[in-house]
Amino acid sequence: QLQLQESGPGLVKPSETLSLTCTVSGGSISSSSYYWGWIRQPPGKGLEWIGSIYYSGSTYYNPSLKSRVTISVDTSKNQFSLKLSSVTAADTAVYYCASPTIYCSSTSCPPSIWGQGTLVTVSS
Amino acid sequence: DIQMTQSPSSLSASVGDRVTITCQASQDISNYLNWYQQKPGKAPKLLIYDASNLETGVPSRFSGSGSGTDFTFTISSLQPEDIATYYCQQYDNLPPGFTFGPGTKVDIK
Repeated sequence: QLQLQESGPGLVKPSETLSLTCTVSGGSISSSSYYWGWIRQPPGKGLEWIGSIYYSGSTYYNPSLKSRVTISVDTSKNQFSLKLSSVTAADTAVYYCASPTIYCSSTSCPPSIWGQGTLVTVSS
Repeated sequence: DIQMTQSPSSLSASVGDRVTITCQASQDISNYLNWYQQKPGKAPKLLIYDASNLETGVPSRFSGSGSGTDFTFTISSLQPEDIATYYCQQYDNLPPGFTFGPGTKVDIK
């Protein structure tokens, strides 16, 4: 069964780059999912989709974050990553990595496998 | 951008009650509408996909309906373990991406 686990610094300074990694276990990142994505949730608030990288290598980002976001895959480590540049306090959130079921064959498949989430605080 | 609204923002109901949450899209999204349950401190869990399909392993007291712009999520008989926040989520293919509704917090009366 596919499992996802986020990792990375819990504290980032304003104006710096937030970097998180999602480790995939129970399957190969090259063939186990149609896409790999990131979603975040500020404390006490709702969910926001950040972006996804598809099996083809294509990436799509939330337009509100597009200029600051990069999602990439490292097949040698069975990981995918998120980089968010020029962070401010508004980027403080729990960050989740997620993917659809292995039976997904469309970009419309909803994320159904989630990591436990990791809290990132932006503060000096 | 497609905007999602959910109502109510919160509700209290008794165990055994029928609970209904609505979600409205600002434009036609066909059946690209999913429902998630999130308990405090936990990741969201997919309950309903493509408006009305029950995810594997999800109890049958949960159901969804609708298409186009208006959608409904129902718990037929509220249980104590259903205390959570429920989010609708829509898919947009131009470009591919997802948008979540603001959420509905469900409590036991």
